[in-house]
Amino acid sequence: EIVLTQSPGTLSLSLGERATLSCRASQSVSSRYLAWYQQKPGQAPRLLIFGASSRATGIPDRFSGSGSGTDFTLTISRLEPEDFAVYYCQHYDSSQWTFGQGTKVEIK
Amino acid sequence: QVQLVESGGGVVQPGRSLRLSCSASGFTFSSYGMHWVRQAPGKGLEWVAFIWYDGSKKDYGDSVKGRFTISRDNAKNTLYLQMNSLRAEDTAVYYCARENWVDTTMAFDYWGQGSLVTVSS
Repeated sequence: EIVLTQSPGTLSLSLGERATLSCRASQSVSSRYLAWYQQKPGQAPRLLIFGASSRATGIPDRFSGSGSGTDFTLTISRLEPEDFAVYYCQHYDSSQWTFGQGTKVEIK
Repeated sequence: QVQLVESGGGVVQPGRSLRLSCSASGFTFSSYGMHWVRQAPGKGLEWVAFIWYDGSKKDYGDSVKGRFTISRDNAKNTLYLQMNSLRAEDTAVYYCARENWVDTTMAFDYWGQGSLVTVSS
């Protein structure tokens, strides 16, 4: 079973700063099945990135994804007020879908 | 536009059963695999179950295997989750989500608003 570990647990940043979120897999995984989601309080998750680096429809270009093997990164180039939320990575392998435990991006 | 609307949540006693529904609209429901994902209060996301577009294949997370059953009625554009032998740890908001493939990549591109299930005596 693949385990996804996200770090840090909480990221405290100011508006306009760059956010770098990490997702590490317990073994090498296919980047084709690595996705990132954003969730705000009281709302359903929203797809941001699929295939490790492709932005979903309507997602601003300040969001970018990268990585391969066991290490993946979600970068928000300049934080906007609406970006403060919890972010989850997700992977699919062998009929099992796994989420990381989440990274909360909060206003400093 | 794509819409997924869950219903059927509520308060249920431990050991009892409950069935959730997810009504889909705005897309060809019978062409897409569908998932259930849950989120316990204050916790992260946990994948629960998956069903192929035609219902011929189903997969379950370890924590619900043998107790929960996913199904679908493509004529009614509806996804279901039958939950039996419920436990306190099944308390969560349950989301349905659409699985979408783009070339060889896959992700959950649309989610419902969620339905709260509370297991308590």
